[in-house]
Amino acid sequence: KAGVTQTPRYLIKTRGQQVTLSCSPISGHRSVSWYQQTPGQGLQFLFEYFSETQRNKGNFPGRFSGRQFSNSRSEMNVSTLELGDSALYLCASSFLDRVNGYTFGSGTRLTVV
Amino acid sequence: SQQGEEDPQALSIQEGENATMNCSYKTSINNLQWYRQNSGRGLVHLILIRSNEREKHSGRLRVTLDTSKKSSSLLITASRAADTASYFCATAGGSQGNLIFGKGTKLSVKP
Repeated sequence: KAGVTQTPRYLIKTRGQQVTLSCSPISGHRSVSWYQQTPGQGLQFLFEYFSETQRNKGNFPGRFSGRQFSNSRSEMNVSTLELGDSALYLCASSFLDRVNGYTFGSGTRLTVV
Repeated sequence: SQQGEEDPQALSIQEGENATMNCSYKTSINNLQWYRQNSGRGLVHLILIRSNEREKHSGRLRVTLDTSKKSSSLLITASRAADTASYFCATAGGSQGNLIFGKGTKLSVKP
């Protein structure tokens, strides 16, 4: 059974650019969540999608957005990148999260220069 | 904002010893989960304990939950070098399903 797949694994972007990260959840998982991990702030929730609808959103500026497709694959986009956006971005999928917890991907390491 | 606070921030033990990590949180929860992260990679789900449970076991892991004190502990028995990782507690509660993570405990198990 394939795990949660995130692409790309590593990314270097310049300030002001935009970036799109992709996440393919485990087959059958309809819930996809995104988290940002930095040394200073730790793991912070970005947003959650369920059946193509954003179900929940964290406290991030509007430059951070996401979407989910009908096959449950999800993308997140960050526009007008800032140096502080450098982080490990983690995607997690779940089936009955309140019973089984979440399965995380290996993450995308974004560096903004 | 962080919900959970792990204690200690770092723990160094010898192989074969037990490792205990504690987590405190602030608001009411539906469940509390523990995750492991190896060196900046993805998180691995270890165990989930519901708010009406007090103790749960999974292999060498034992988790306790005290909702009156808003705290949880993770015990890893007979530690191995492969247990070296960061361990995070995460709470899920209310109408929102997202996890709120603590800052983690960095465990180092020396062979």
